[in-house]
Amino acid sequence: DVKVTQSSRYLVKRTGEKVFLECVQDMDHENMFWYRQDPGLGLRLIYFSYDVKMKEKGDIPEGYSVSREKKERFSLILESASTNQTSMYLCASSPGGASTDTQYFGPGTRLTVL
Amino acid sequence: GEDVEQSLFLSVREGDSSVINCTYTDSSSTYLYWYKQEPGAGLQLLTYIFSNMDMKQDQRLTVLLNKKDKHLSLRIADTQTGDSAIYFCAESIRYSGAGSYQLTFGKGTKLSVIP
Repeated sequence: DVKVTQSSRYLVKRTGEKVFLECVQDMDHENMFWYRQDPGLGLRLIYFSYDVKMKEKGDIPEGYSVSREKKERFSLILESASTNQTSMYLCASSPGGASTDTQYFGPGTRLTVL
Repeated sequence: GEDVEQSLFLSVREGDSSVINCTYTDSSSTYLYWYKQEPGAGLQLLTYIFSNMDMKQDQRLTVLLNKKDKHLSLRIADTQTGDSAIYFCAESIRYSGAGSYQLTFGKGTKLSVIP
């Protein structure tokens, strides 16, 4: 079974703090994704990566950065957290390269910024 | 741009069938997906259908695809209280770089099952 894990289920941070959200997958997938999920807005893609050290902006990259130093790990960084970044963050991975590119999701991290 | 539309809410009685509908816009989508999200959890893949198929059945789940109208539906037979969740429709979009694919999701349909 594909396993995607996220470092925390719940996180509370203060405005201005630097926040790291970690995601690890154990299936040697090429692609990894970070989404945020907000009520009434569905899932919105923040960043994705199709290879180690490669990253591409999604629909809402502002205020975020990412790092992919190893194939299995994709980190989302909030350089200076703000209250409007309070959200559920979902990480996903997919095998890559084929149209059957099913994404597998982690359990999510609910981030609250005070 | 790409857009996937779903109704936001559906309420059914336990034992009835549920039908969740979705429309998508990109005719080049090769695969369409249904995901389920239970409260406080991530998204779980339920099923997917290739765009050259009309129907796919998997136990209590039936997916119907009308490619001409770009309409996808998920039917859950004998709906149970454990089926209460948010259901997301998604279409696969080819990303121009590196031959990879992205998913565009609908906003999700919250299914409530009344005992």
